[in-house]
Amino acid sequence: EPEVTQTPSHQVTQMGQEVILRCVPISNHLYFYWYRQILGQKVEFLVSFYNNEISEKSEIFDDQFSVERPDGSNFTLKIRSTKLEDSAMYFCARGVGNQPQHFGDGTRLSIL
Amino acid sequence: ELKVEQNPLFLSMQEGKNYTIYCNYSTTSDRLYWYRQDPGKSLESLFVLLSNGAVKQEGRLMASLDTKARLSTLHITAAVHDLSATYFCAVALNNAGNMLTFGGGTRLMVKP
Repeated sequence: EPEVTQTPSHQVTQMGQEVILRCVPISNHLYFYWYRQILGQKVEFLVSFYNNEISEKSEIFDDQFSVERPDGSNFTLKIRSTKLEDSAMYFCARGVGNQPQHFGDGTRLSIL
Repeated sequence: ELKVEQNPLFLSMQEGKNYTIYCNYSTTSDRLYWYRQDPGKSLESLFVLLSNGAVKQEGRLMASLDTKARLSTLHITAAVHDLSATYFCAVALNNAGNMLTFGGGTRLMVKP
């Protein structure tokens, strides 16, 4: 059983629309991450979020992306004005320090 | 910029055989992780290697870390079909938070 739950499992959206991907931890954690994996390719870091603030972000995480924890529980990734190349699996993970990061089952995002 | 390279990218082997997957990285680090990914699934943590000379074993898999050579290996002993999956190594930079940089993955296919 994953230690984080992601919804939806699959999201289909028209290009240019906004999408919100959600991550819900099973237990109370402060450190979260978003990664993406384009089909058949490697996993790429997007952003880390600690104590309700962005801790690190990659070059991929530009102004099109944002993260927040609006209700103290759900951890969301928002993608504005989606593009075809945003189609990928998006994984939420939690973890801290030297411990391995534990990944959710992912959200498959398909941009049409 | 940290670069992580795995080889081979694809490995087809017979059951019962031994083989090694290699993970090279470009910048000093003593935090290296191995993950397994089944098709269409999430990433499952296999090993955490935190120091030079670290060796971890679980079943038919054994991982090691040589921080001086910036090299980690994942050795497969007497492969079985159930080990068929894609294996990723991931590196976290020292004193640089918890952002993981993944290798390109090694797709392993074990034939009966």
